[in-house]
Amino acid sequence: EAQVTQNPRYLITVTGKKLTVTCSQNMNHEYMSWYRQDPGLGLRQIYYSMNVEVTDKGDVPEGYKVSRKEKRNFPLILESPSPNQTSLYFCASSLPPGEDTEAFFGQGTRLTVV
Amino acid sequence: AQSVTQLDSQVPVFEEAPVELRCNYSSSVSVYLFWYVQYPNQGLQLLLKYLSGSTLVKGINGFEAEFNKSQTSFHLRKPSVHISDTAEYFCAVSGGGYNKLIFGAGTRLAVHP
Repeated sequence: EAQVTQNPRYLITVTGKKLTVTCSQNMNHEYMSWYRQDPGLGLRQIYYSMNVEVTDKGDVPEGYKVSRKEKRNFPLILESPSPNQTSLYFCASSLPPGEDTEAFFGQGTRLTVV
Repeated sequence: AQSVTQLDSQVPVFEEAPVELRCNYSSSVSVYLFWYVQYPNQGLQLLLKYLSGSTLVKGINGFEAEFNKSQTSFHLRKPSVHISDTAEYFCAVSGGGYNKLIFGAGTRLAVHP
């Protein structure tokens, strides 16, 4: 079954404590991205990756890091989380945008930073 | 730059009534258009997409959308909704050399018995 798997689904942490949200896809997609979803703002792209070792900033990259060492994995790293990063996060994978693109989304990670 | 505007943040409707969720986009180049649905506590799922060709696009669960280039719109419709259609719906655009999907703010559809 084609899927994108994120972990954890729910996370409560304290300000400044480093955390990583994992994302893995089994569709051999080159393109992966992270979004955050906030009420009234829809989904905004944080970072994206066109392929292994190729990453770039999206619209709201401040406070986040990513890595793409393997094609299937694209973890999101918050080195020093702050309360304004409390949000619902989605990982997605697809063929490169601009082609016949259907983005496949993970189930989401609800992060609360206190 | 591309942008997407969903004109209604919430749409309440009674079961078996028709519904239209409105989406307008702005782009100076040809784009691809999508509607995604998000059921409670789940990720986003593709409802339908417009890439080229016929302007009327049919998707899953009885939804359809019409691409109108002159009005830069891509409204989503369903002739008769069910309680199970209660969800948040997102319009999105990609293409034109941009390496991402750009989403609207979402429309929360609430179907009442």
